[in-house]
Amino acid sequence: GAVVSQHPSRVICKSGTSVKIECRSLDFQATTMFWYRQFPKQSLMLMATSNEGSKATYEQGVEKDKFLINHASLTLSTLTVTSAHPEDSSFYICSAITGGLDYGYTFGSGTRLTVV
Amino acid sequence: GESVGLHLPTLSVQEGDNSIINCAYSNSASDYFIWYKQESGKGPQFIIDIRSNMDKRQGQRVTVLLNKTVKHLSLQIAATQPGDSAVYFCAENRGDSWGKLQFGAGTQVVVTP
Repeated sequence: GAVVSQHPSRVICKSGTSVKIECRSLDFQATTMFWYRQFPKQSLMLMATSNEGSKATYEQGVEKDKFLINHASLTLSTLTVTSAHPEDSSFYICSAITGGLDYGYTFGSGTRLTVV
Repeated sequence: GESVGLHLPTLSVQEGDNSIINCAYSNSASDYFIWYKQESGKGPQFIIDIRSNMDKRQGQRVTVLLNKTVKHLSLQIAATQPGDSAVYFCAENRGDSWGKLQFGAGTQVVVTP
């Protein structure tokens, strides 16, 4: 089946630095990927839709200048948390739409970001 | 047992019993629904999905029921096993854009021996 690889799985960074998270579709092309954030004991909240070759679309309340998304190829989307602060600490998860007979959504394994 | 609510309730189930997890969705225009299982520190894992033109769908040990009249979705797990312990989320395809999923609050399922 379709696999989405997310890297890194865990990252600790200092306040004020930037962190890049990668989301790769391993065996299919993903023109559209989604980025979610999840706080402890809470549900997944959609942050933005990543579109290959065009600008990402952000959900209301999500700062596009803080959460930079780049979808430069059909298999890779990246989320960069810029000038990270402790309140950005969260679990970030990407997903991609798979096409063909396996149409549906596939999720990455998530990235635990801790800002200290 | 049965769990109702949208604030991460906990459902305790004895191993071998059946589990029922409920979810109320918000958008009457949603036409696609998915149940996910999430283990601690991991991404969501697909369990089963259903489209709005159906009211029931069965998988291996799982059944999803959809009641569009009251906008209610349920997941039934037969013969619950320790490996079923996880948080379960329902998700609906948002009516404003295909591909965007809106997740429910989740239910923690704890399987006891």
